[in-house]
Amino acid sequence: EVQLVESGGGLVQPGGSLRLSCAASGFTFSSYWMSWVRQAPGKGLEWVANIKQDGSEKYYVDSVKGRFTISRDNAKNSLYLQMNSLRAEDTAVYYCARWRGGSYSWYFDLWGRGTLVTVSS
Amino acid sequence: SSELTQDPAVSVALGQTVRITCQGDSLRSYYASWYQQKPGQAPVLVIYGKNNRPSGIPDRFSGSSSGNTASLTITGAQAEDEADYYCNSRDSSGNPHWVFGGGTKLTVL
Repeated sequence: EVQLVESGGGLVQPGGSLRLSCAASGFTFSSYWMSWVRQAPGKGLEWVANIKQDGSEKYYVDSVKGRFTISRDNAKNSLYLQMNSLRAEDTAVYYCARWRGGSYSWYFDLWGRGTLVTVSS
Repeated sequence: SSELTQDPAVSVALGQTVRITCQGDSLRSYYASWYQQKPGQAPVLVIYGKNNRPSGIPDRFSGSSSGNTASLTITGAQAEDEADYYCNSRDSSGNPHWVFGGGTKLTVL
């Protein structure tokens, strides 16, 4: 079955760190760009970061640049998001997603169920 | 604030046609993709590119674009189409950043 399964969410204090993981199965993970997208409680979707197939290119939304790091291990079919210096506004469900397209059209065609990160004292 | 603007809420009578729009400067250069999200569930891709549907998405869903506006049309809306809908595209800054619209809550009456 083609799927993405996130893990690693939880409660963390402001200023703390957390590492999210996403396990991919059912497709050739190393052939695809991957992404993290988040959704604050009761709010809309927000793109967080993308990573190229070999990890050589990474893009981040400005609000997390310098604090979050996206990475991947193709041998383990896994995607990661290292989150440091966490803030209350980082509280959200974090989704792992497969990202495709190029030139004039991009899209997230496969999504995990998400993992909740709560930043609170 | 989002660079892609959507109406917060739209309603449609069962079996009728509804158009959900997404406006933004970047849509003059790039196609939007559209996602359906039901409460407590992950988003699902429904339209991408010029007007492409992933496998399993009913053909009552279609997409179009004109100028700075992308549209998702549901022809013959069903009760199960009641959900939040989000558009997504590259932002207009020229940087490799992507943005979602604020979302449209579709109610099927």
